[in-house]
Amino acid sequence: KNQVEQSPQSLIILEGKNCTLQCNYTVSPFSNLRWYKQDTGRGPVSLTIMTFSENTKSNGRYTATLDADTKQSSLHITASQLSDSASYICVVSADNNDMRFGAGTRLTVKP
Amino acid sequence: NAGVTQTPKFQVLKTGQSMTLQCAQDMNHNSMYWYRQDPGMGLRLIYYSASEGTTDKGEVPNGYNVSRLNKREFSLRLESAAPSQTSVYFCASSEGISYFSYGYTFGSGTRLTVV
Repeated sequence: KNQVEQSPQSLIILEGKNCTLQCNYTVSPFSNLRWYKQDTGRGPVSLTIMTFSENTKSNGRYTATLDADTKQSSLHITASQLSDSASYICVVSADNNDMRFGAGTRLTVKP
Repeated sequence: NAGVTQTPKFQVLKTGQSMTLQCAQDMNHNSMYWYRQDPGMGLRLIYYSASEGTTDKGEVPNGYNVSRLNKREFSLRLESAAPSQTSVYFCASSEGISYFSYGYTFGSGTRLTVV
């Protein structure tokens, strides 16, 4: 069964610190993986997209990594800011357009 | 720059009542989608419309109906609301049905409570 698991469920860090969010998936056959940021009361907004052949993709202070062999991805946030407080959702798509959403990691950045 | 607009933003229904959630996009996208988001779970696809004039069931279609009114608008109807339908509903659109080629643009969501 195609599934996406994210960890941790929630995370609190101090402003300026780095953090890493994890995503494990069993979606097959793998097509691509996106990380979304969802602010409270808003819809998700895409941060990065990665295909099978890509190991790393950066978007400003956000860096996503993908290990297609172990079916794991991570999202690293550098020098966190208060505006980074949000839920981060991992979304994995299969070749047949079957798309699965993780439950998200709720990140809180405190001053 | 409206993108995807959903109405209403909040709604409280009594069990058995009906209502329609409205969604409109101004990006000339071909495909539109309705998702529900529940605590501790990922977004789940209710229905989608690959193009104007077509609709298909997603993962959790029971208790819902949809209408692709035109290219811009895609509505979701609850005929007889149940407490299990308490959720946040998101509408999304994309240029085409191929997710790899076309990312999604999401609306801001409708928070529905059924009492």
